[in-house]
Amino acid sequence: ETGVTQTPRHLVMGMTNKKSLKCEQHLGHNAMYWYKQSAKKPLELMFVYSLEERVENNSVPSRFSPECPNSSHLFLHLHTLQPEDSALYLCASSRNGENSPLHFGNGTRLTVT
Amino acid sequence: GQNIDQPTEMTATEGAIVQINCTYQTSGFNGLFWYQQHAGEAPTFLSYNVLDGLEEKGRFSSFLSRSKGYSYLLLKELQMKDSASYLCAVRDSNYQLIWGAGTKLIIKP
Repeated sequence: ETGVTQTPRHLVMGMTNKKSLKCEQHLGHNAMYWYKQSAKKPLELMFVYSLEERVENNSVPSRFSPECPNSSHLFLHLHTLQPEDSALYLCASSRNGENSPLHFGNGTRLTVT
Repeated sequence: GQNIDQPTEMTATEGAIVQINCTYQTSGFNGLFWYQQHAGEAPTFLSYNVLDGLEEKGRFSSFLSRSKGYSYLLLKELQMKDSASYLCAVRDSNYQLIWGAGTKLIIKP
């Protein structure tokens, strides 16, 4: 139990499907993140929410749409994805503060067919 | 550009010591993190260095030299469960985390 829970663990979707990834944190943190992890590549930051407001969007394609309804929940809505979007999507949370480490969920392994 | 370099893969023997290096070129420095990630699992926080020197936590130690843009993670008395990927990340002057691609550590009996 990491304190950050992601569902589903695995997802296979076609390019025309719409799906959502869910993340929930039970640590009382006030910042939440979506990262993309591809094999042998550094973690890619996609979105950051601090106090439920989006503070960063690293030029992510519009087929990825985040939602943060409150400080404990984060969603990533997916539509018309491409095969190159297949990756592990990690959610993380942290307290605000420069030395605060990120706490990650176990990720959703996404395969786009 | 900003860059973090770490070896792609290392192999070590159970009971031995291994040192995983990380060199960085970033716009400013506000701390360096090491994370451990077992296959199919979440990265978990291991250590944080912001000042030069060695931080020890049980079997794991992390060293930082800001003047050299260099850190290492030292793992002692290796156990099979230490087989994992080890990720180095640096906070730059904008407090953005810059990540390395990770080092896959394989422990052999």
